[in-house]
Amino acid sequence: ETGVTQTPRHLVMGMTNKKSLKCEQHLGHNAMYWYKQSAKKPLELMFVYSLEERVENNSVPSRFSPECPNSSHLFLHLHTLQPEDSALYLCASSQGHDQPQHFGDGTRLSIL
Amino acid sequence: QQQVKQSPQSLIVQKGGISIINCAYENTAFDYFPWYQQFPGKGPALLIAIRPDVSEKKEGRFTISFNKSAKQFSLHIMDSQPGDSATYFCAASMKGTDKLIFGTGTRLQVFP
Repeated sequence: ETGVTQTPRHLVMGMTNKKSLKCEQHLGHNAMYWYKQSAKKPLELMFVYSLEERVENNSVPSRFSPECPNSSHLFLHLHTLQPEDSALYLCASSQGHDQPQHFGDGTRLSIL
Repeated sequence: QQQVKQSPQSLIVQKGGISIINCAYENTAFDYFPWYQQFPGKGPALLIAIRPDVSEKKEGRFTISFNKSAKQFSLHIMDSQPGDSATYFCAASMKGTDKLIFGTGTRLQVFP
């Protein structure tokens, strides 16, 4: 148990669907992150929230829309995705700058 | 400048042997260098981390060696065990930022 829970674990969706990924952290951290992990590529940072405010948007297409309603919850809203968006989406949390990041087990997303 | 280059891509080691994974970086502003371990179906977990003010850090069978002048750092796993079989990622970040730059990963297999 890492203290960071992601749901669902697996998601298959068509290109026209709308779905959301959920992340919840039970560690009392104040920063949360979304990463994309594709085969043979480095983990790519997508978004960073610190104290519920978005502080980083790493040139991510607008079809990915994050939401952080409080310091324990993070969502990634998906719409009109492309086949190349199929990947493992990882959520992480930390106490902030220069502190270790704790990852969830990810959502495996497949776009048909 | 922002990349972290990791090698080898895959590594096969006999049980009891030493596993060595290398990473190199260009950006001298990086000042935090963690290593993550990832098992299939799980998210990355922090294994060990180092800052550039020390040349070596050891935790149990895991050691990070850091060469600031060469801009290289490596992970050594002593007495490698089959349970160490996983994918290992090096990473780097700059002081005061939340942004971790990851290497491409090394798949380690330890055979009995």
